[in-house]
Amino acid sequence: NAGVTQTPKFQVLKTGQSMTLQCAQDMNHEYMSWYRQDPGMGLRLIHYSVGAGITDQGEVPNGYNVSRSTTEDFPLRLLSAAPSQTSVYFCASRPDGTYEQYFGPGTRLTVT
Amino acid sequence: AQTVTQSQPEMSVQEAETVTLSCTYDTSENNYYLFWYKQPPSRQMILVIRQEAYKQQNATENRFSVNFQKAAKSFSLKISDSQLGDTAMYFCAFMKKGGANNLFFGTGTRLTVIP
Repeated sequence: NAGVTQTPKFQVLKTGQSMTLQCAQDMNHEYMSWYRQDPGMGLRLIHYSVGAGITDQGEVPNGYNVSRSTTEDFPLRLLSAAPSQTSVYFCASRPDGTYEQYFGPGTRLTVT
Repeated sequence: AQTVTQSQPEMSVQEAETVTLSCTYDTSENNYYLFWYKQPPSRQMILVIRQEAYKQQNATENRFSVNFQKAAKSFSLKISDSQLGDTAMYFCAFMKKGGANNLFFGTGTRLTVIP
């Protein structure tokens, strides 16, 4: 198993550009989530999904969209990047009925 | 809403010594999990230890143990025989049992193990 994979590892965007952060897992996990990590703060939940076709907002959803068309993939879209979205982004997944979340390696995004 | 507080931004410990990282949390839930995650410079989030709220016995994993005080809403991590590889950010996290089971994190403690 590859576990949770994220692409790209690094990205630099200009203000106003759009992009999609990719997340995939090959463990057939129902639950998937996106978190952002900023200096001096813990990870904060952006969006999450409890299964294919079902998504919901987390603590800091503004400026981000998600969709979940398959169990494996959970992309995060930035429609119009802003400097405030400069952060490290983590994707995580978890099997239904368990507590342990499996984290991807993260994507460092810089918006100039 | 759940909040998790880590009041020690940075700590250091001599190699082979013991160190305790503090965490407090606030919740109205009765069934939940508490976790400590380690984030080394590689940025990977690694689960160190977990505690289920309904269990009174403190969890242990090799050199890592917790002191869980449910009434005080306190969840500290003790690292014994500290090793250089323990140098990392440590995050305390809360998860409600049931529902979406999303994690709420503290702001982290940067631990440095000094040779």
